[in-house]
Amino acid sequence: AQSVTQLDSQVPVFEEAPVELRCNYSSSVSVYLFWYVQYPNQGLQLLLKYLSGSTLVKGINGFEAEFNKSQTSFHLRKPSVHISDTAEYFCALMDSSYKLIFGSGTRLLVRP
Amino acid sequence: EAQVTQNPRYLITVTGKKLTVTCSQNMNHEYMSWYRQDPGLGLRQIYYSMNVEVTDKGDVPEGYKVSRKEKRNFPLILESPSPNQTSLYFCASSFGGAQGTQYFGPGTRLLVL
Repeated sequence: AQSVTQLDSQVPVFEEAPVELRCNYSSSVSVYLFWYVQYPNQGLQLLLKYLSGSTLVKGINGFEAEFNKSQTSFHLRKPSVHISDTAEYFCALMDSSYKLIFGSGTRLLVRP
Repeated sequence: EAQVTQNPRYLITVTGKKLTVTCSQNMNHEYMSWYRQDPGLGLRQIYYSMNVEVTDKGDVPEGYKVSRKEKRNFPLILESPSPNQTSLYFCASSFGGAQGTQYFGPGTRLLVL
């Protein structure tokens, strides 16, 4: 069975510090990988996605993620966070049958 | 404005009273999907649709029904709601199957008493 694990339920960080949100997945077949952000009381917005090709994927708002097939990981990074990045972040995978499977989410809390 | 709309946004109901949550998109997307979000569990897919009259089960379909009679609409039906269906529900749509960017609606918060 396929699954997505987000190891940290909450990540506190100071403003302008770098951050990494971890995501590991389990799948026996090729997958597509996504990171979504959910701001308070809003729906989800796509940050970035990996479908194929370059393993380093750049997204909106200065975020990037690296696909690592050997470690089955897709960690999200940002070199310098802002207060406005405070939100919940979800990693997700999709298989060839188009089912979308989400991790449990990581709440990023940026402090001044 | 390109968007996915859901109605109602908030709903309180009682066990066993049938309800429908509507979802509509104005982007001519083929793919539409319903998710529920519960604390600590992330989002779980309920049903999805690749196109008109084509629907399939996600990971948690029990207790739900869907239909896709028109491309723009994808209603979620709870024939006999139970308290364990209290949750936050999101509808989403995209082009090109699921590889396209999924656009999410604002969510519907449902409380079943």
